[in-house]
Amino acid sequence: GAVVSQHPSWVICKSGTSVKIECRSLDFQATTMFWYRQFPKQSLMLMATSNEGSKATYEQGVEKDKFLINHASLTLSTLTVTSAHPEDSSFYICSALRGEVAEQYFGPGTRLTVT
Amino acid sequence: KQEVTQIPAALSVPEGENLVLNCSFTDSAIYNLQWFRQDPGKGLTSLLLIQSSQREQTSGRLNASLDKSSGRSTLYIAASQPGDSATYLCAVIQGAQKLVFGQGTRLTINP
Repeated sequence: GAVVSQHPSWVICKSGTSVKIECRSLDFQATTMFWYRQFPKQSLMLMATSNEGSKATYEQGVEKDKFLINHASLTLSTLTVTSAHPEDSSFYICSALRGEVAEQYFGPGTRLTVT
Repeated sequence: KQEVTQIPAALSVPEGENLVLNCSFTDSAIYNLQWFRQDPGKGLTSLLLIQSSQREQTSGRLNASLDKSSGRSTLYIAASQPGDSATYLCAVIQGAQKLVFGQGTRLTINP
């Protein structure tokens, strides 16, 4: 149990386009999901907290207009990178909070490359 | 601001050895501490979660300890195997369930 999926697993897009990444909790409901980004050989940095039915909470320094987060259901959160640029190329990982055990379960990640 | 540091950054040992990975954090006001494993290009696999009221957790060949007062945690791996090769991440859990990660220890177990 406690499986989290991400789609797509990798994506290549041209500079200026937008990309949507999905995060799904497959066998539990998650009112809270988190989005992280990870640069090569670096650790994960929290970008934002996604709450079902309400606006996301962004960490300091993360542009909310560039990284749009929608948590429309208890099993799905989406991250849209708008007007992507090469510096947005990164590994994006989501996690879902399983409330009854207060533990985060992580997705497999999405590799975004902006050319 | 919470800072999490992991030492060493990289470690290479022969198969069969016991080893210890270290994690330290600057703010002892944490809820829990969690150890993860990450394989190259993959997501995170949770290994052990230690609640703030606990001193240690064990799972198979893994044992994690927590000393909140000193801001330290260790992950002990017994009888290491080549399949244990991965990056190990330590994260402290603070308010609103936010995780603050260390930089990780890249572990290589040589056959």
